Amino acid sequence: LAKTTQPISMDSYEGQEVNITCSHNNIATNDYITWYQQFPSQGPRFIIQGYKTKVTNEVASLFIPADRKSSTLSLPRVSLSDTAVYYCLVAPPSGGSYIPTFGRGTSLIVHP
Amino acid sequence: EAGVTQSPTHLIKTRGQQATLRCSPISGHTSVYWYQQALGLGLQFLLWYDEGEERNRGNFPPRFSGRQFPNYSSELNVNALELEDSALYLCASSLGGPWKRGYEQYFGPGTRLTVT
Repeated sequence: LAKTTQPISMDSYEGQEVNITCSHNNIATNDYITWYQQFPSQGPRFIIQGYKTKVTNEVASLFIPADRKSSTLSLPRVSLSDTAVYYCLVAPPSGGSYIPTFGRGTSLIVHP
Repeated sequence: EAGVTQSPTHLIKTRGQQATLRCSPISGHTSVYWYQQALGLGLQFLLWYDEGEERNRGNFPPRFSGRQFPNYSSELNVNALELEDSALYLCASSLGGPWKRGYEQYFGPGTRLTVT
């Protein structure tokens, strides 16, 4: 099972770009990388998912190097409303007895 | 389109009692997942139901159980409540199994369970 490691917390200011890196050294060949965002007292929200290289949507970008041992979630021009906990999840694409492990995530605080 | 709904929002129980939490998935979703999030901790996977069957289970004692109904809604039961069961219980749903959409799950707002 691929274990993930993220920074516990990060601070930023409004308008800046924020990059949160997740390490997953023993990621399996078929594993996908998914990021979630969670606000206090709410359930997590799917942000973005990727397998390799770069994925971009209207919310964020996900950069995955060739060796796939890490991934970086990039939030462009953050605002106060981006203050949340961000989770990196590595999961296989099909079947098995995989148990999803969200870990403690990265608490991002955006300052005015 | 309505999202995942959970009830009740808050639940207060006494140690030793039983708690029942309910979840209604997004229309068309057949898989339901339950997670526990204790204060300051990450999400801990509890159970996964798909098409009425329990598909996988996290590292929790048997007093955590549940079921999925024909309409795909689900119920989580916690028996013999202990103080450390106090947490936010989150339900999520997805189209089919978690891997069919690369683990894209949709979460409900959660039920805050307090055990005194």
